[in-house]
Amino acid sequence: AQKITQTQPGMFVQEKEAVTLDCTYDTSDPSYGLFWYKQPSSGEMIFLIYQGSYDQQNATEGRYSLNFQKARKSANLVISASQLGDSAMYFCAMREGPHQAGTALIFGKGTTLSVSS
Amino acid sequence: SQTIHQWPATLVQPVGSPLSLECTVEGTSNPNLYWYRQAAGRGLQLLFYSVGIGQISSEVPQNLSASRPQDRQFILSSKKLLLSDSGFYLCAWNPRRSPEAFFGQGTRLTVV
Repeated sequence: AQKITQTQPGMFVQEKEAVTLDCTYDTSDPSYGLFWYKQPSSGEMIFLIYQGSYDQQNATEGRYSLNFQKARKSANLVISASQLGDSAMYFCAMREGPHQAGTALIFGKGTTLSVSS
Repeated sequence: SQTIHQWPATLVQPVGSPLSLECTVEGTSNPNLYWYRQAAGRGLQLLFYSVGIGQISSEVPQNLSASRPQDRQFILSSKKLLLSDSGFYLCAWNPRRSPEAFFGQGTRLTVV
């Protein structure tokens, strides 16, 4: 079974609007972390935001926020006030267990976001 | 500050030739290290990870191998490349004390 599911292959948004990128996950481990990465056309993977399974509040980093709904096992990324430079592929990822254990990130298939002016 | 170096950036190799991709991390010690592969337009597939020198875990049986000869050096190798080895290879690391992983610039490998 897929551990990380991103159901939106592509999303389109106008500049200055907000957009939500969906992510659901599957794990039986009570300790896990959820991540979002941005991959522009250059290929580099840019870390955006992190949410721990025990964190009580939703993570925020500037224009990025993570809508964490533990019971639904969802970790949607919200980008407020979209900019043209936000056009890229976005990946949701999960690490099971404590990060000190060295377990690797498991990635979803990604969502391509296109921002238009 | 910590940085990760990965080279080369692009590589075109004939089928049957060997491969060696190198990744080094600076400014930290005892990092967890990872190799991922990304097929065109797809997600990232974990290939290998390492929690220490000489300790390699393989996630997918394949034509590739990895080694960690030094604390901050991670090498991806193949004795004989296949066409199916083409892809974008990314090295990543995460510090023991924090959860996020940081990626190198990637190597775009084309096997012809």
